[in-house]
Amino acid sequence: DVKVTQSSRYLVKRTGEKVFLECVQDMDHENMFWYRQDPGLGLRLIYFSYDVKMKEKGDIPEGYSVSREKKERFSLILESASTNQTSMYLCASALRWTGNTEAFFGQGTRLTVV
Amino acid sequence: AQSVSQHNHHVILSEAASLELGCNYSYGGTVNLFWYVQYPGQHLQLLLKYFSGDPLVKGIKGFEAEFIKSKFSFNLRKPSVQWSDTAEYFCAVKSNSGYALNFGKGTSLLVTP
Repeated sequence: DVKVTQSSRYLVKRTGEKVFLECVQDMDHENMFWYRQDPGLGLRLIYFSYDVKMKEKGDIPEGYSVSREKKERFSLILESASTNQTSMYLCASALRWTGNTEAFFGQGTRLTVV
Repeated sequence: AQSVSQHNHHVILSEAASLELGCNYSYGGTVNLFWYVQYPGQHLQLLLKYFSGDPLVKGIKGFEAEFIKSKFSFNLRKPSVQWSDTAEYFCAVKSNSGYALNFGKGTSLLVTP
């Protein structure tokens, strides 16, 4: 089974802190994604990566950056956390993005910025 | 703009009632379609997917969905819901011309005993 592991289930950070959310997948997937999930808004794509060191902005990249130095690891960085970044963050991975593939999700990190 | 719309935000059903959750998308061209479910406290899981072929697809736990290309729809159905189906359901669309998997806003289903 594919396993997508997010380093923390719950995080509490202070406004202005630099925050790192880590995600690791164990199936050699090329594509990785970061979403945030908010009630009534569903899942919104922040960034995705289709290869090592490659990244593309999603729908809501402002205030975030990402890093993919190794194929299995995709990090989401909040440069200066703000209270409006309090949310559930979901990482996903997929083998290829052409053809018939599906995305697999981690368990999520609930981030609270105080 | 490309979008995914789920018609119902909150649905409450009694056990054994039938379920239909609507999903429409606005993409042109070839699409892959998915329904994901998120049980309370758990991660997103794939319920079913459509890539090509038979437009009626069957998923886990008795769920099925029908792809109607002319209506840009991919509605989720279950003939008889159970209390354990209480969850949030997300429709998602992947266009073969893009990288992203785009989600609807979700439908929260509560099944009462």
